[in-house]
Amino acid sequence: DAGITQSPRHKVTETGTPVTLRCHQTENHRYMYWYRQDPGHGLRLIHYSYGVKDTDKGEVSDGYSVSRSKTEDFLLTLESATSSQTSVYFCASRGPGDSGANVLTFGAGSRLTVL
Amino acid sequence: AQTVTQSQPEMSVQEAETVTLSCTYDTSESNYYLFWYKQPPSRQMILVIRQEAYKQQNATENRFSVNFQKAAKSFSLKISDSQLGDTAMYFCAFMKHGPSNSGYALNFGKGTSLLVTP
Repeated sequence: DAGITQSPRHKVTETGTPVTLRCHQTENHRYMYWYRQDPGHGLRLIHYSYGVKDTDKGEVSDGYSVSRSKTEDFLLTLESATSSQTSVYFCASRGPGDSGANVLTFGAGSRLTVL
Repeated sequence: AQTVTQSQPEMSVQEAETVTLSCTYDTSESNYYLFWYKQPPSRQMILVIRQEAYKQQNATENRFSVNFQKAAKSFSLKISDSQLGDTAMYFCAFMKHGPSNSGYALNFGKGTSLLVTP
């Protein structure tokens, strides 16, 4: 299995507090992604990265920021958590090129509850 | 923007039977990739099957096969000889094709919840 881990796996926090979710991959993949999963919405892209210090917004980026200082780590930060950000967050990664390398490999997900 | 539509929120099938999950998509791209991912109760996202749009032959992986109709923008998943372990949420997803250094993401449908009963 691809080495992609997320931490924490579960977190409960209060409205207004900052939260950081971490994604760590050992595959030396160039591209990394953060999605959120909500009932009735499938998975929606929050932010993605196409290299160290290179990031861009997805369709639901409001209220989130990301950073990538090393190839292996991609951090998702909620500066001031709100109840609407209660969700399951998935990190994914993939390498460049073709022949199967367009397949995203996913982490196990992080369940965040904002009270 | 590409949209992916899964019109069946829930489906049920008996063990050993065959079931087909529907997926349609909207794009102006001529070349792209289509995927089916499975998400069992463990929540892990697992790739089931992948199709490249420039290939006319439908992809097959053991009991899983697709019916890819490019002109109709349809990409259905057929599961043969259904097993209890196939119970999961199934997501159809689309990715644009680009240069080898493109960071295109997956666009997902909302999912179909499949229940396999004994």
